[in-house]
Amino acid sequence: GAVVSQHPSRVICKSGTSVKIECRSLDFQATTMFWYRQFPKQSLMLMATSNEGSKATYEQGVEKDKFLINHASLTLSTLTVTSAHPEDSSFYICSAREAGGAGGGAEQYFGPGTRLTVT
Amino acid sequence: KQEVTQIPAALSVPEGENLVLNCSFTDSAIYNLQWFRQDPGKGLTSLLLIQSSQREQTSGRLNASLDKSSGRSTLYIAASQPGDSATYLCAVRISGSRLTFGEGTQLTVNP
Repeated sequence: GAVVSQHPSRVICKSGTSVKIECRSLDFQATTMFWYRQFPKQSLMLMATSNEGSKATYEQGVEKDKFLINHASLTLSTLTVTSAHPEDSSFYICSAREAGGAGGGAEQYFGPGTRLTVT
Repeated sequence: KQEVTQIPAALSVPEGENLVLNCSFTDSAIYNLQWFRQDPGKGLTSLLLIQSSQREQTSGRLNASLDKSSGRSTLYIAASQPGDSATYLCAVRISGSRLTFGEGTQLTVNP
C-alpha cells in the first residue's frame, strides 16, 4: 500500500513554544489530508481536513489559530501547534487520500504518528 | 450522525484460533468501510477497504464482509498468530471526506 511519513516521531517542547509536524505522502499525490489526535486507549479524533491549496476545515471545538494547518503541495501537509501547553500533549496522526477510487472512495493511509510532550 | 460500534472491546484467544471482530454503523449510506490495525504507540495500517458496492474483501488470512442494509461488517482472522495482537479499528466513510471510527477491539493472541 501507499506510504505516509511523519516527522518528527517524537518531540518534547517547553510550554509556550510552537511545534511543527510534517506529513508527507511518499508515493502518491494526496488531494486530501487529515489530522487526528489520539488520547491513550481512545480512538482517533479528527481535528481538521485539508485539501491542497485550500484552507483547512476544522472540526467543532478545534481552535484553528492554535493548530495551524498548511497543505501547500500534493505531498506535504504541516500541523503547527502554537503556544503549546501541557494539555496539548498527545499523539498526533496524519492521514492522506488521493482523489477518486474505484466504486466510491479512495483508500485512506495513515502516518506513523508523532508523540508530542509539552513540559 | 454516523455512529460506529465495535464489539467486543477486547478479545483474548489462543494461537491458531479463528476469530471474528464485529463492527456496526447507524447510517447505511456509506461510500466505503476500512479495517485498520494499530500497534501500541504506532499509526494505523490499512488492512482492507470495502466499497459500498462490494460484499467482501480478502487479504491473506483476513476476510472482511459488508452488509450495508443491516449496517454491519465483520473482520474474520483465520489461524490467528501472536503477531496479530493489536487494536483493530473499523471506520466508515459517508458523504464528504471524513472517516468515522469505532472505538476498536483490542486483540491478544496467546502463544
